Amino acid sequence: DIVMTQSPDSLAVSLGERATINCKSSQSVLYSSNNNNYLGWYQQKPGHPPKLLIYWTSARQSGVPDRFSGSGSGTDFTLTISSLQAEDVAVYYCHQYYSLPWTFGQGTRVEI
Amino acid sequence: EVQLVESGGGLVQPGGSLRLSCVASGFTFSSYSMNWVRQAPGKGLEWVANIKQDGSEKHYVDSVKGRFTISRDNAKNSLFLQMDSLRAEDTAVYYCARVRAVVTLYDAFDNWGQGTMVTISP
Repeated sequence: DIVMTQSPDSLAVSLGERATINCKSSQSVLYSSNNNNYLGWYQQKPGHPPKLLIYWTSARQSGVPDRFSGSGSGTDFTLTISSLQAEDVAVYYCHQYYSLPWTFGQGTRVEI
Repeated sequence: EVQLVESGGGLVQPGGSLRLSCVASGFTFSSYSMNWVRQAPGKGLEWVANIKQDGSEKHYVDSVKGRFTISRDNAKNSLFLQMDSLRAEDTAVYYCARVRAVVTLYDAFDNWGQGTMVTISP
């Protein structure tokens, strides 16, 4: 199974500042035939289901603010919130869908 | 608007069974692979099982293989999870989730239900 490890487990960022979350996979999630990294990011607020933010490492889901961006390739990935807003307080998960069983990172809690 | 509504959760004794349902609306259910994902109280997300749009392929996480069965009824826009031989560690909120793109298992999950709580306790 591919193990997804996020860092840090939690971080506190001032309003308007940048938040950076890292995700490392135990093996590459890059499919060479199409050059896609099978990696997504979700946001989950208390009492709510996860919400897809980013798919294919860097494609922003419809309706997601452009302050959210994803980057990386192979085994190392990053979710960046360029200017943290109060409504961004949540837990963020990375997710690999390259190899079954799909696996998630342990989550990163973002606070103000 | 895409909607996924789970039901069937509850309190069950260890060794018991439950059948979860997820009714879909707002999209062509028969074109999308579907998943079950669970979240134990205060914990992270764990993928449980998926099924291709036509039911021809099913996959499970090792911890539920032989105990859980995923199925679907495209005529009724419904996804199911039959859970047998339940254990305390199966206690979680169970979400159904749709794959983002049609006719593939290999994509992120763009729509999630609100979840149904399953509690396994004597």
